[in-house]
Amino acid sequence: VQLVESGGGLVQPGKSLKLSCSASGFTFSSYGMHWIRQAPGKGLDWVAYISSSSGTVYADAVKGRFTISRDNAKNTLYLQLNSLKSEDTAIYYCPRRGSSFDYWGQGVMVTVSS
Amino acid sequence: DVVMTQTPVSLSVSLGGQVSISCRSSQSLVHNNGNTYLSWYLQKPGQSPQLLIYKVSNRFSGISDRFSGSGSGTDFTLKISRVEPDDLGVYYCGQGTQYPYTFGAGTKLELK
Repeated sequence: VQLVESGGGLVQPGKSLKLSCSASGFTFSSYGMHWIRQAPGKGLDWVAYISSSSGTVYADAVKGRFTISRDNAKNTLYLQLNSLKSEDTAIYYCPRRGSSFDYWGQGVMVTVSS
Repeated sequence: DVVMTQTPVSLSVSLGGQVSISCRSSQSLVHNNGNTYLSWYLQKPGQSPQLLIYKVSNRFSGISDRFSGSGSGTDFTLKISRVEPDDLGVYYCGQGTQYPYTFGAGTKLELK
């Protein structure tokens, strides 16, 4: 199992960014996937979930601003981040929903700053 | 939201020693389906978190039997025996019973 996040960077408040998570080594379409973030020096913060059938759940802090989606043909998970705030600055991970959050990527850094 | 409270915040241990980390939830973690979705993760310095234990006491693939999880309802414990240098880092408990999924603040395991 391999998960590789990409798409992060430095972005101004109020702007948008789209993260990707490329999956390999398992049948991506059969698994739900999460996004979890970690602000610098802080703990883990669950962001969003998408089921294998594309049902979604969001944390209140990102509801209406972030959108989780998936493309099973490309074995890729996405997170569209809109109306970014400084408090969204974090490393974003895309763990698989297997036995809990069983496999994690290396994460991608998103920095929201003017 | 379910609040997860971990104690202690930090722990010093000698190599070969044993430690316990406590995790308490503000609500029962027993799901309607009868399962208890309490997991433990280790984040080594500069690395992503890794799953150690799921559903209270099940060791994930490749995890040493030096790690054991126990508990029920709202009170859970992770025990690490014969501590090795590779065990050092921050341990998190997390619940997957109720959205939003939540985590404890972490317990940092250091060498004495």
